[in-house]
Amino acid sequence: SAVISQKPSRDICQRGTSLTIQCQVDSQVTMMFWYRQQPGQSLTLIATANQGSEATYESGFVIDKFPISRPNLTFSTLTVSNMSPEDSSIYLCSAGTGDTQYFGPGTRLTVL
Amino acid sequence: QKEVEQDPGPLSVPEGAIVSLNCTYSNSAFQYFMWYRQYSRKGPELLMYTYSSGNKEDGRFTAQVDKSSKYISLFIRDSQPSDSATYLCAMSAQTGGSYIPTFGRGTSLIVHP
Repeated sequence: SAVISQKPSRDICQRGTSLTIQCQVDSQVTMMFWYRQQPGQSLTLIATANQGSEATYESGFVIDKFPISRPNLTFSTLTVSNMSPEDSSIYLCSAGTGDTQYFGPGTRLTVL
Repeated sequence: QKEVEQDPGPLSVPEGAIVSLNCTYSNSAFQYFMWYRQYSRKGPELLMYTYSSGNKEDGRFTAQVDKSSKYISLFIRDSQPSDSATYLCAMSAQTGGSYIPTFGRGTSLIVHP
């Protein structure tokens, strides 16, 4: 298993600003992922954070809006850029170990 | 048709009841099946993990997979108010060496005293 922490746990931001979310895993993992979860909805995969190379984005998500860094095997960041109220959501970091995934506690983002 | 279908509920049961949560799926390549529990304002927590068909039991929880019917279930015996949460099913197939799961939308369970 893997223990995952995220910072910040929540934030309230103004329209047009950017927020960087940090994700730390307690062990080295091959795969790290970023998800978004709207209230009452399932998890939507934003991108796979690849160590040492560009992230792989899912349809509907672009690097300019959601730049991701993965400098090593235990750490990743997701930036939500030029925010609008539609970006208000819970952002979850996940680490893949073998054939399953573990999740961080999430970052609750509200954009005014 | 979505790849994974899960009734969002809410499902309300009295304490001590047996709870049955279900998902259906369409992708026959799925081999790994997971159930996550998510409490309000928390991240999903891996509850049960099953490979291929069959049953797996862990305490009060039993996961069942029927690949022929593309149907998975999670049973909770002697349900407790602390079981009140959203339960997400997830399933994956190996794709290029990685396993990126597809999630159901979650079923909200309420166990009342």
